[in-house]
Amino acid sequence: NAGVMQNPRHLVRRRGQEARLRCSPMKGHSHVYWYRQLPEEGLKFMVYLQKENIIDESGMPKERFSAEFPKEGPSILRIQQVVRGDSAAYFCASSPDQFVEQFFGPGTRLTVL
Amino acid sequence: QKEVEQNSGPLSVPEGAIASLNCTYSDRGSQSFFWYRQYSGKSPELIMFIYSNGDKEDGRFTAQLNKASQYVSLLIRDSQPSDSATYLCAVTPLDSNYQLIWGAGTKLIIKP
Repeated sequence: NAGVMQNPRHLVRRRGQEARLRCSPMKGHSHVYWYRQLPEEGLKFMVYLQKENIIDESGMPKERFSAEFPKEGPSILRIQQVVRGDSAAYFCASSPDQFVEQFFGPGTRLTVL
Repeated sequence: QKEVEQNSGPLSVPEGAIASLNCTYSDRGSQSFFWYRQYSGKSPELIMFIYSNGDKEDGRFTAQLNKASQYVSLLIRDSQPSDSATYLCAVTPLDSNYQLIWGAGTKLIIKP
């Protein structure tokens, strides 16, 4: 049973470019969560999605960031016009229902030059 | 502001000893408590969760919860060098059953 998959594992972008991070949840999981982690810090909640619905995006910056979880395919976290401060590890987690026990993917490490 | 506090460490423990990791939280209504382990450059891995006051044991790991004191701890018995990692405490606040509030983690070093 494959775990949560994320790609790419490493992404380098120049300032002003777009970053697209993909997450495929574990089989049978329809709840997806995105987190950001800065070096030496804990994880910060960004957004919670179910299939085709954004449930809670309270942790996501209102500008430049968006997320989706279409009916078919992976969840996408999109960062437009990246800035150096966006450099971080972005983790996706999934769960079979709303009541946590979230399982994490390997993360995407974004570096903005 | 809901907060979860952990001593950043590093906490150094001899191999074979008991490692004790602590976490306090500010939201008195918090319901669920999780311990994750994160190796450097890797993703968090769930070790244990606890919902009720008292102790919960799983192999070498014991989670302890005291809601009155707003305190949750993780004990690791017979510590091994492979236990060296950062341990993250996460808590669900009263007004959410999915959102996790995370501590910054405690770095644990097991000395052979």
